[in-house]
Amino acid sequence: EPEVTQTPSHQVTQMGQEVILRCVPISNHLYFYWYRQILGQKVEFLVSFYNNEISEKSEIFDDQFSVERPDGSNFTLKIRSTKLEDSAMYFCASSESRSWGRYFGPGTRLTVT
Amino acid sequence: QQPVQSPQAVILREGEDAVINCSSSKALYSVHWYRQKHGEAPVFLMILLKGGEQKGHDKISASFNEKKQQSSLYLTASQLSYSGTYFCGTDHGGGFKTIFGAGTRLFVKA
Repeated sequence: EPEVTQTPSHQVTQMGQEVILRCVPISNHLYFYWYRQILGQKVEFLVSFYNNEISEKSEIFDDQFSVERPDGSNFTLKIRSTKLEDSAMYFCASSESRSWGRYFGPGTRLTVT
Repeated sequence: QQPVQSPQAVILREGEDAVINCSSSKALYSVHWYRQKHGEAPVFLMILLKGGEQKGHDKISASFNEKKQQSSLYLTASQLSYSGTYFCGTDHGGGFKTIFGAGTRLFVKA
């Protein structure tokens, strides 16, 4: 069964550093998303991406965040200057349409020290 | 805008039934349901769309009351594998942005 993959599984970085989280969505899916989950809390929507552009973003997704689909398979989330409060599990997800569920990847645990 | 889930936690014995509720203060375009086990990613269970269409797994059922802006997830004859945290996610238009509730922790014991 096709699945969403994410790399790395765990990233440790120092405050102020840039990080890039990578995702490979399910191949026939057209809609891509990033979510984050602080330990023990709910899943928070960051951004959705369709047709090579951002379709929706949350208040969390400020100028420090950006997304890109550099080729036909990868989908990346960049945080330009990480803060301690960016420490969380970041999930990539994809869906075949807007009216369908999100298929989540296994996540990247980001630790900012 | 965050949907409100109830109850916050449920403890069941194997074979018992449970209902998890999700309500929103805003009109809904769709409601999603997910299950997350500890240390894992959320897994999609079901989506309910405005107008009555329902897509998802055969063994799980749910309802969507558009007027009341509520959805309920029905877990029948629970199994140990049902244990986890259940999240509802609501979308208020467009289908791009899903806002998740705080979750309902379900524990099924033998």
